[in-house]
Amino acid sequence: EAQVTQNPRYLITVTGKKLTVTCSQNMNHEYMSWYRQDPGLGLRQIYYSMNVEVTDKGDVPEGYKVSRKEKRNFPLILESPSPNQTSLYFCASSLSLGGIGSGNTIYFGEGSWLTVV
Amino acid sequence: KQEVTQIPAALSVPEGENLVLNCSFTDSAIYNLQWFRQDPGKGLTSLLLIQSSQREQTSGRLNASLDKSSGRSTLYIAASQPGDSATYLCAVAIYNQGGKLIFGQGTELSVKP
Repeated sequence: EAQVTQNPRYLITVTGKKLTVTCSQNMNHEYMSWYRQDPGLGLRQIYYSMNVEVTDKGDVPEGYKVSRKEKRNFPLILESPSPNQTSLYFCASSLSLGGIGSGNTIYFGEGSWLTVV
Repeated sequence: KQEVTQIPAALSVPEGENLVLNCSFTDSAIYNLQWFRQDPGKGLTSLLLIQSSQREQTSGRLNASLDKSSGRSTLYIAASQPGDSATYLCAVAIYNQGGKLIFGQGTELSVKP
């Protein structure tokens, strides 16, 4: 079954304690991306990756890091989380070699609820 | 900077009605536009994708149109059902920025039995 898997699904953490949200896809997709969803602000793109070792900033990259060392995994790293990073996070992937412009379906994970206190 | 707007923010209709959801974008330099469905507490499911060179796409009771020159897209849902209740989001892929995807804030649809 085609899947994008995120972990953890729910996390409460404290300010400044580094954390990693993992994302894994089983579809051999080249494109992967992270989003955060906040009430009144909608979905905003954090980072994306066109392929292994190729990453780029989305609209709200501040406070986040990513890495793409292998095709299936695209972890989101919060080096020093702050309360304004409390949000619902989504990972997504797509087959497209040329990026999402080539029109392949984007698959989303179920989301990770992160609370920073 | 590309901005995507969806109107209305919420919509409630009786079962069986045909309805239209609207999406507008400010910059016509896009690769494609996609419509997604999001159920409460869940991820997004892709419904339809329209390439910038296309005018419309259809899947079952759903039909999406794209007018790139005016910066508008509509999602038409025929014979709505309670199971259609969800939030519907549109997103545009920005031209020449391969991985950037900008979302609207969504329309929350409620279909009453």
